[in-house]
Amino acid sequence: DVKVTQSSRYLVKRTGEKVFLECVQDMDHENMFWYRQDPGLGLRLIYFSYDVKMKEKGDIPEGYSVSREKKERFSLILESASTNQTSMYLCASSSRGEQYFGPGTRLTVT
Amino acid sequence: AQSVAQPEDQVNVAEGNPLTVKCTYSVSGNPYLFWYVQYPNRGLQFLLKYITGDNLVKGSYGFEAEFNKSQTSFHLKKPSALVSDSALYFCAVIRATSGTYKYIFGTGTRLKVLA
Repeated sequence: DVKVTQSSRYLVKRTGEKVFLECVQDMDHENMFWYRQDPGLGLRLIYFSYDVKMKEKGDIPEGYSVSREKKERFSLILESASTNQTSMYLCASSSRGEQYFGPGTRLTVT
Repeated sequence: AQSVAQPEDQVNVAEGNPLTVKCTYSVSGNPYLFWYVQYPNRGLQFLLKYITGDNLVKGSYGFEAEFNKSQTSFHLKKPSALVSDSALYFCAVIRATSGTYKYIFGTGTRLKVLA
């Protein structure tokens, strides 16, 4: 089975902190994605990567950056956390077709 | 612009009754369509997809979806609902971009199956 793991299930950070969310997949997938999920808004794409060291902006990249130094790992970085970044963050990977999701990280910024 | 719409925020159905969760799409070219399910406190799980071929697609847990090109719809169905089907369901379409692809997700429909 494909496994996508995320470093934390729950995270509480203070406004202005730098936050790192880690995602690891074990299926050698080329494509990896970061989404945020908010009630009534569904999933919104923040960034995605289709190869090591490659990244592309999604629909809501402002306030975020990403890093992909190894194929299996895709990190989301909040440069200076703000309260409006309180959300559920989901990582996914895919080869072609369906995506495989991690369990999510619920981030609260106070 | 490519988009997906799920017109119902919530669907309630009695256990044992058939269920339908609606999805309509707007894409240029041939659509690649997906359904995902999210159980409480868990990530999304793939249910089924339509790429090409038969309009009726069968997926996991007894779910199926019907692709209707003329109505631009891809409704999720199950003949007999279970309480354990209660979850959040997302429809999605692939959008090709710059040699790769991105997903566009609907806003989700919460299915509640009543015992």
